[in-house]
Amino acid sequence: AQSVSQHNHHVILSEAASLELGCNYSYGGTVNLFWYVQYPGQHLQLLLKYFSGDPLVKGIKGFEAEFIKSKFSFNLRKPSVQWSDTAEYFCAVNGGSQGNLIFGKGTKLSVKP
Amino acid sequence: DAGITQSPRYKITETGRQVTLMCHQTWSHSYMFWYRQDLGHGLRLIYYSAAADITDKGEVSDGYVVSRSKTENFPLTLESATRSQTSVYFCASRTTGGLHEQFFGPGTRLTVL
Repeated sequence: AQSVSQHNHHVILSEAASLELGCNYSYGGTVNLFWYVQYPGQHLQLLLKYFSGDPLVKGIKGFEAEFIKSKFSFNLRKPSVQWSDTAEYFCAVNGGSQGNLIFGKGTKLSVKP
Repeated sequence: DAGITQSPRYKITETGRQVTLMCHQTWSHSYMFWYRQDLGHGLRLIYYSAAADITDKGEVSDGYVVSRSKTENFPLTLESATRSQTSVYFCASRTTGGLHEQFFGPGTRLTVL
């Protein structure tokens, strides 16, 4: 069955620290990969997406992610986090039998000012 | 451009009552989804719809029903609410096609007492 694993449940960083959130997926077909962000009290917003081509994907707000096919990974990175990046981050892959996305359980990021 | 709207945004109800959560999208997207978000579980699919009058169950559909008489609306009904259905409910939509990017509504926080 398709699945997504996010390794970190809660990450705490100070401002200006670098961020890397892990995501591994299990899916045998052609993958479309996504990172969504959910700011406190808000809905999910798309950060970035990978469909094909360059495995290094740049998204909004300085985030990027690298698709490594051999490792079934799609880790999210940001060189220098800000307090405003405090949010929950969800990795997702296509592959649900109903055309839905399969989500990881999320990683909560807390950035200390 | 309203996108996806959900109503109500917050709802408190009692065990055994019927509750309907509304979802409306203005993009004429074919696919619509209902997810629930619970701590430690991420987002799980309740129901999906590929088009008007076409719906199917997701991972956690017990106790829920949906209808889709019009493309733009996708209401979710809890037939007899239980405490285990206390959750945040997100509606999402996407276009037909292979890219699978989904757009989410603002969510409904439901509390069942």
